Amino acid sequence: DTEVTQTPKHLVMGMTNKKSLKCEQHMGHRAMYWYKQKAKKPPELMFVYSYEKLSINESVPSRFSPECPNSSLLNLHLHALQPEDSALYLCASSQANLGGLPYNEQFFGPGTRLTVL
Amino acid sequence: GQQVMQIPQYQHVQEGEDFTTYCNSSTTLSNIQWYKQRPGGHPVFLIQLVKSGEVKKQKRLTFQFGEAKKNSSLHITATQTTDVGTYFCAGRTGTASKLTFGTGTRLQVTL
Repeated sequence: DTEVTQTPKHLVMGMTNKKSLKCEQHMGHRAMYWYKQKAKKPPELMFVYSYEKLSINESVPSRFSPECPNSSLLNLHLHALQPEDSALYLCASSQANLGGLPYNEQFFGPGTRLTVL
Repeated sequence: GQQVMQIPQYQHVQEGEDFTTYCNSSTTLSNIQWYKQRPGGHPVFLIQLVKSGEVKKQKRLTFQFGEAKKNSSLHITATQTTDVGTYFCAGRTGTASKLTFGTGTRLQVTL
């Protein structure tokens, strides 16, 4: 299984809502990532988890809260978002070496298209 | 912070013509990866280059990593309509976990 799955595919939420994005992979990868992608722009890294520990937070606002419950799952909890947070949210995974450093290719999920009203 | 620029931003070619996108980093890279994103899709890994001056080929695609490990290129020979999409380079510095994506080149191919 070389697939990363993400749910939901689409999400519309108000600025006062709380919602969660989910990501799952069964490739045995120990590095998982959240990216944000605006239209016609490259993916921007938000968070990196390595061996279920948060290793990178790219100064993301606290209204985005990541969680890695186990080696296969990655969540992104959303609360009090702003309209400018509307974007495609991509999850990715990759192998990580014994030192915990990601390497090799990243496998991306199809993304969740988020609209904040 | 690290910046990775790609040129051109957009290119429109006729099927059968060649295409090249160039990637330039503001810092020396430990390795560089290339991804393709089809319209409405997600990035898909194409290749990774690690060594200075490395050249790799995949059918009609040729990838090159510069001698100084600060630039890279992707050349497509005889484009096909299936090559349509945005091509991103993505670089990693040192042993960093972070992959920084280039600005991307959008390729349009018409018959």
